[in-house]
Amino acid sequence: NAGVTQTPKFQVLKTGQSMTLQCAQDMNHEYMSWYRQDPGMGLRLIHYSVGAGITDQGEVPNGYNVSRSTTEDFPLRLLSAAPSQTSVYFCASRLRAAGQWNTEAFFGQGTRLTVV
Amino acid sequence: AQSVTQPDIHITVSEGASLELRCNYSYGATPYLFWYVQSPGQGLQLLLKYFSGDTLVQGIKGFEAEFKRSQSSFNLRKPSVHWSDAAEYFCAVGAPGTASKLTFGTGTRLQVTL
Repeated sequence: NAGVTQTPKFQVLKTGQSMTLQCAQDMNHEYMSWYRQDPGMGLRLIHYSVGAGITDQGEVPNGYNVSRSTTEDFPLRLLSAAPSQTSVYFCASRLRAAGQWNTEAFFGQGTRLTVV
Repeated sequence: AQSVTQPDIHITVSEGASLELRCNYSYGATPYLFWYVQSPGQGLQLLLKYFSGDTLVQGIKGFEAEFKRSQSSFNLRKPSVHWSDAAEYFCAVGAPGTASKLTFGTGTRLQVTL
């Protein structure tokens, strides 16, 4: 099992450019999410999804879009990159076990994004 | 909404010494609780989790944590630290019964001196 796979690992963007961070999981997890990690701020939730076709906002959604067309994939789109979006981005997935969410999150290795 | 506080930003311990990392949460009932570890340049790895039952939980790499409802705490402990334990540690809380997000603390960076 590959688990949660994120691509790319590193990316440099110019202000105003757009890009998509890819996330794929092969564990058939219903729940997928995107976090950003900034020094001294821990991980903050950007968007999450509880299944194909269902997405919702986290605590820092501005400037980011998501969609969930399949169970496996949950891409994160930056439509017009800004320096404030320089961060490390993590994708995570969780299993729904017997209708309960008492499961841990599995994380990808992260994407380090720099916006200049 | 739930929240998590990790009051110690940075802790330094000597190899072989004991370790306790603090975590306090805010939630109206018993939450789901997790400890994750992150080595430099890596993703997060689960150390242990608490959902219900025995309040002392054992994890990987010799770590344990104790859920104390009266103190709203879930502190992480290790009796004898190894140099390879140097990393950043995150406490996280989730709300049972919902398709809930995990809320993370700001992390504690552990430095181990030889």
